[in-house]
Amino acid sequence: GENVEQHPSTLSVQEGDSAVIKCTYSDSASNYFPWYKQELGKRPQLIIDIRSNVGEKKDQRIAVTLNKTAKHFSLHITETQPEDSAVYFCAASKGSSASKIIFGSGTRLSIRP
Amino acid sequence: DADVTQTPRNRITKTGKRIMLECSQTKGHDRMYWYRQDPGLGLQLIYYSFDVKDINKGEISDGYSVSRQAQAKFSLSLESAIPNQTALYFCATVSPTGELFFGEGSRLTVL
Repeated sequence: GENVEQHPSTLSVQEGDSAVIKCTYSDSASNYFPWYKQELGKRPQLIIDIRSNVGEKKDQRIAVTLNKTAKHFSLHITETQPEDSAVYFCAASKGSSASKIIFGSGTRLSIRP
Repeated sequence: DADVTQTPRNRITKTGKRIMLECSQTKGHDRMYWYRQDPGLGLQLIYYSFDVKDINKGEISDGYSVSRQAQAKFSLSLESAIPNQTALYFCATVSPTGELFFGEGSRLTVL
């Protein structure tokens, strides 16, 4: 079955700097790759996703890149702000209906003032 | 506002007890999932259901069972709770585009 590995487990960056979180997946049939943000004490929420037919997607300060050949994808956050402090999860699944969604182990991002 | 609701939000129980965590949704989604969250282990899939008659085991189904009573209800049971089942449990629905909508979580402590 699918296995998703996520690195690093913790990340601390200076406010205003960029943060990058990387994930690798094992199943070459996976074609949907979402990223979720979980603030302290809250439920995870989708922040951005990418499908296998594109290599990059941006939404304001966040972007995701996908390398299908290498089976890895990354989350990029630019101009980090205090409200970006949270745990971020990557995930992978197959099919447009996203039948089984497998998550990485999470990255705790801290923004230093 | 359409949402995913979990009960109870917090539960402390003893080893060997039977526990049921309930989930209901008003989003109208067919797909419902149960995940377990442990520190440093991310979100591990326990069971998932495509509709009332289609239930599937996830990554860590041993020690758990589920019941899909209706499109809007998906319950998770621990038949005989053990301490290493202490965790935060999330129910989620899946939209047609694949987005997961999580409930607020049920924190379970097994003594």
